[in-house]
Amino acid sequence: GIQVEQSPPDLILQEGANSTLRCNFSDSVNNLQWFHQNPWGQLINLFYIPSGTKQNGRLSATTVATERYSLLYISSSQTTDSGVYFCAVDRWTGNQFYFGTGTSLTVIP
Amino acid sequence: SQTIHQWPATLVQPVGSPLSLECTVEGTSNPNLYWYRQAAGRGLQLLFYSVGIGQISSEVPQNLSASRPQDRQFILSSKKLLLSDSGFYLCAWTGRAGYTFGSGTRLTVV
Repeated sequence: GIQVEQSPPDLILQEGANSTLRCNFSDSVNNLQWFHQNPWGQLINLFYIPSGTKQNGRLSATTVATERYSLLYISSSQTTDSGVYFCAVDRWTGNQFYFGTGTSLTVIP
Repeated sequence: SQTIHQWPATLVQPVGSPLSLECTVEGTSNPNLYWYRQAAGRGLQLLFYSVGIGQISSEVPQNLSASRPQDRQFILSSKKLLLSDSGFYLCAWTGRAGYTFGSGTRLTVV
């Protein structure tokens, strides 16, 4: 399978600060998504981004497929951004969606 | 628009009891459907996936089974629960925008 590594594993931010989360993957992928798992456990799809750059409000993501990494940028963080951020990828063949181990973000007021 | 429903939200069951978790998708046809489990900690593990009615693939040997009796219905079952079956179970489907997950069922086996 594909190895998906996320860094940092834990992050504490002061409200208003910016941060960058990283996802490295070990093989070519068909799909890459970033999710936010809220305190109730629901996985919210943030970005579907197998390549290129996308922005949605204070969040943006960039995937460089040729170098096998993706970055999630959070600007002007808010307490509601707290939770675990997952990167997940799948391959061109098969039906396995490989998750990283996540980055746990805590934004303090 | 497509929506995915999962129930119940929480469940406390004694060891040895049966289990049935249901997932339904609306607004699409012939979706690929998935069951994932998230144990204590962060990792999500794929349990089963289905590409059509009656077609189930299992990723790991376990005490659970899955069925797809209808196009947009996916059921996770067990005849006798074990303590180790406790966890957070998530159903998902894939579309043009990638994977979409249900709200999850938190299962505690006591």
